[in-house]
Amino acid sequence: QVQLQESGPGLVKPSETLSLTCTVSGGSMSDSYWNWIRQPPGEGLEWIGYIYYSGSTNYNPSLRSRFTISVDTSKNQFSLKLSSVTAADTAVYYCASRGGIGGSGSYYNSWGQGLLVTVSS
Amino acid sequence: SYVLTQPPSVSVAPGKTARITCGGNYIGSKSVHWYQQKPGQAPVLVIYYDSDRPSGIPERFSGSKSGNTATLAISRVEAGDEADYYCQGWDVISDHPVFGTGTKVTVL
Repeated sequence: QVQLQESGPGLVKPSETLSLTCTVSGGSMSDSYWNWIRQPPGEGLEWIGYIYYSGSTNYNPSLRSRFTISVDTSKNQFSLKLSSVTAADTAVYYCASRGGIGGSGSYYNSWGQGLLVTVSS
Repeated sequence: SYVLTQPPSVSVAPGKTARITCGGNYIGSKSVHWYQQKPGQAPVLVIYYDSDRPSGIPERFSGSKSGNTATLAISRVEAGDEADYYCQGWDVISDHPVFGTGTKVTVL
């Protein structure tokens, strides 16, 4: 099964841009759709969006369009950028691979360990 | 926005069966998946497509649906089953996945 590992800063100042990277091992980037999911402390899970190895993306329309997901297949990595962060963006950010047939048949069968990002000055 | 409602907590004695419900308007027409999350760890998929179990997940975990409610049942509960459990469904209006509010399972 594929392994995923998040990396990036654990502390970001308000109004700055958060940048996270997920490194994929044990599989090919063309094998799945690559997702970001976040979880504020003590709260539930929120799907942010996904990217395919071709570069096509889909984002949670409930979130403001501050998120950008990109992919670098040469490094087996995909990334998340979140602009103009506020304290409300403090969360554990997970990267995850999608299983299933897509659409409503999507589920998340491999997850990174998660990275806590705190937004504070 | 679409909400999947779960009871905040469920308590169960060891060896008994825990049942966790997940209610939402589109449950009956879309697949439901379930995750187990232990403190400080990433979620783990325990049920997909309503009732299928990934390899490595004990048969004690089962899923079902009736109308607009999905249920995760954990039979012969063990101390190691103590965790938060989340259902995941699909918002057909916004066309994206949605997670339930989460249920904390406590083993007495």
